[in-house]
This record gives sequence, structure tokens and C-alpha cells, in this order.
Amino acid sequence: TQLLEQSPQFLSIQEGENLTVYCNSSSVFSSLQWYRQEPGEGPVLLVTVVTGGEVKKLKRLTFQFGDARKDSSLHITAAQPGDTGLYLCAGAWNDYKLSFGAGTTVTVRA
Amino acid sequence: DTGVSQDPRHKITKRGQNVTFRCDPISEHNRLYWYRQTLGQGPEFLTYFQNEAQLEKSRLLSDRFSAERPKGSFSTLEIQRTEQGDSAMYLCASSAGTLDTDTQYFGPGTRLTVL
Repeated sequence: TQLLEQSPQFLSIQEGENLTVYCNSSSVFSSLQWYRQEPGEGPVLLVTVVTGGEVKKLKRLTFQFGDARKDSSLHITAAQPGDTGLYLCAGAWNDYKLSFGAGTTVTVRA
Repeated sequence: DTGVSQDPRHKITKRGQNVTFRCDPISEHNRLYWYRQTLGQGPEFLTYFQNEAQLEKSRLLSDRFSAERPKGSFSTLEIQRTEQGDSAMYLCASSAGTLDTDTQYFGPGTRLTVL
């Protein structure tokens, strides 16, 4: 059972467009992590957010943690084909266990 | 780069056979995790080690599954009498375990196909 709901499930956009991926839960998390995964590989960590309302920027990627620490978003500005992949959010509600969303498959067309 | 490594990367086996996977965590990481990921889903937690102690096992981990981390370094995950439903990507992750926000770093995974 996935405690985190990600939307949309699939997203296909043209190079240069912006996109936003959402991650929602009814649970409060102590921290939330975003990963990017390519086919046949393990998830690669993008960012960890901890504080409610926190905003982190990583080049063209902007991550936000909701004030109540139940939701998060990932915004990509001027998407490039190299941004193509599966984006996963994962929440930690205790000291160690991560609960993952089902992921958003992003395709950026050249 | 001494990230998390997993071996083998791919394993094809016949139903009923036993398989064993290995995970080498980032050195000095005292926490090690196993997850399973099926197509179209995010990873699901299987089990967790703090040093050599296995502290939690998910209900997903049936009696046919066993994991060990004998010296608190590398870990093995064994599946006995494999079934077709065991086909999945098995992911290992490690973390330092020293901070309140304990970031997990994943290996490349082992893709298991049970025929």
C-alpha cells in the first residue's frame, strides 16, 4: 500500500516547457526525499526536505515541502530531454523506513 | 566513487530454484535496507539492518526470504523456492544513521526474472 500519492502518473512535454509533479499524503512526515530513476537503475537522490514550507532549488529544479509536511512538489523549469525519467517521492515517518509514491514518468521530447 | 553496489545486476532463474543477492553499502554506513520494486510501482520496504542486527521485516518478506548482514558490512538476500511472483527489481540502500534526517542512497538494483 502506497501512503504517498503522486500526480500525474505520466507527463509528456516539449523541450523548453515547464512541469510540476505533486506528491500528497494524509500522513505527516519527518522528512521527504525526491529521487530520479532511469530504466534498469536504482533511484538517485535529488533532494531531502525537512522543514514545513521549505523550498530548495537545484539548478532548474525547485522542490517545496508543504507547511504541514504532508505534501511536496517538484517543479522543473525549461525542461530538457536529459530530465526524462521516473520521479519518485519518498516520505520518512520514523527513523528509517521510507514510503514511496508510485512515481511520475516524465518524458521530455526534443 | 564508492557508492552502494549490488551483485548480480540481473538474474534469471527457474521457478523453484534458490537465488542469493549481495549488497555492499557505502563504507561506514551502519544502516542497510532492502526494497523490492515491481513495474509501475515505487520501491517497497522489505527489511532493515542497524549494523549486523536485523531490526524490522516487512510482511512482504515471506518465510522463503532471508537476509543477513553478518559483520555489519555487506548484506545478502536469499530467496528460496522462487516463484514467478518474486520477479522484481531488488534494491539495496544504505545510510549513515547519524542524523535525524537519515538520507538513504540506493544501489543499481538486481533485476530478478523467475521463469
